[in-house]
Amino acid sequence: AQRVTQPEKLLSVFKGAPVELKCNYSYSGSPELFWYVQYSRQRLQLLLRHISRESIKGFTADLNKGETSFHLKKPFAQEEDSAMYYCALSGRGSQGNLIFGKGTKLSVKP
Amino acid sequence: GAVVSQHPSRVICKSGTSVKIECRSLDFQATTMFWYRQFPKQSLMLMATSNEGSKATYEQGVEKDKFLINHASLTLSTLTVTSAHPEDSSFYICSASPQKLTEAFFGQGTRLTVV
Repeated sequence: AQRVTQPEKLLSVFKGAPVELKCNYSYSGSPELFWYVQYSRQRLQLLLRHISRESIKGFTADLNKGETSFHLKKPFAQEEDSAMYYCALSGRGSQGNLIFGKGTKLSVKP
Repeated sequence: GAVVSQHPSRVICKSGTSVKIECRSLDFQATTMFWYRQFPKQSLMLMATSNEGSKATYEQGVEKDKFLINHASLTLSTLTVTSAHPEDSSFYICSASPQKLTEAFFGQGTRLTVV
């Protein structure tokens, strides 16, 4: 079954602390993995994708095929990182057909 | 990046009436668009895939006669909630991808309240 699991509904950290948002997936084949972010009163937007292997706003995520994980990490959280984060997957070559995790709300306290 | 626009952003309708939500790709053509539904404090659930010039593909459990999808052009897909009930109240979001890209671009969403 195709599934994305984000075990934490809410993650609360202090400014400057490291952050790790967990994501595990189940997919038969080679999926593409994404992290989407939704800031307050804004639309969903792409944060990063595993194919590009880049760091956006200090966030990185490494695809671990053995553990079927795609955890999102940032060494020093900022207050402006507070948002809802969704892990998602799509089949290789598919156009935008995404399966979402339930999301993790990140709260960064001053 | 590509821009997807939804209209209206908020709508209130009476039970039994129908309401139409538009999803437009503003600066690219989209042969495929996706409609999601998001309940409060829950994740997005894919409802259907809208295909330009052909029938939409609905996910299991989604009533195609209740949620009518029309994708008449390469830049516009519409979702019509027919005979709306209070339990249809939700946040509806569309997305689309430019050709050859797998990244999805999302509309701002439509908050539907059925009273």
